[in-house]
Amino acid sequence: KQEVTQIPAALSVPEGENLVLNCSFTDSAIYNLQWFRQDPGKGLTSLLLIQSSQREQTSGRLNASLDKSSGRSTLYIAASQPGDSATYLCAVIGQAGTALIFGKGTTLSVSS
Amino acid sequence: DTGVSQDPRHKITKRGQNVTFRCDPISEHNRLYWYRQTLGQGPEFLTYFQNEAQLEKSRLLSDRFSAERPKGSFSTLEIQRTEQGDSAMYLCASSLGGTGANYGYTFGSGTRLTIV
Repeated sequence: KQEVTQIPAALSVPEGENLVLNCSFTDSAIYNLQWFRQDPGKGLTSLLLIQSSQREQTSGRLNASLDKSSGRSTLYIAASQPGDSATYLCAVIGQAGTALIFGKGTTLSVSS
Repeated sequence: DTGVSQDPRHKITKRGQNVTFRCDPISEHNRLYWYRQTLGQGPEFLTYFQNEAQLEKSRLLSDRFSAERPKGSFSTLEIQRTEQGDSAMYLCASSLGGTGANYGYTFGSGTRLTIV
């Protein structure tokens, strides 16, 4: 059974810092991996989608990497801003099914 | 098309009552999913449709829950005889998928259900 773990559960940083959020999954046979952002009480906003054949994706200040063989992905946020404060969720989709399996998320707080 | 729409945004109901939520996916997306999220947890899969066919149901989907997607367009999720433990955010997502392909999910804003 696929399990997704995100470390750390919470992170507080001052504005301007670069930071890394970690995601690990137990079954490396994934189809793709998707990073989402969730603001309190809101739905999920897709940030980056990495297909299993890809190693990384970039969007603005965000960079996500994928290492299938080790079952790991990282989300790198450059020059963090207070507006980046949110919960970041990692999710994988397995080859055998179509449901996304989520981690519990990392709650990020960026102070000005 | 402005994305995935969910209605209502918030629902407060008494224990034992029935509730129904609606989801309108992105029009060209053939797949539609329902997830449930409780505080401090990631979303958990409930059920999935490809067009009008319900192809997968989680063991979390008890017999009090039923979902439909008539004509492969919008979907409804009904909870009968609500219980305290049903209080959660119910999220709908849609995607475009084909044989061996999945192009990522788009989520709606969710329906927050509170059972009193």
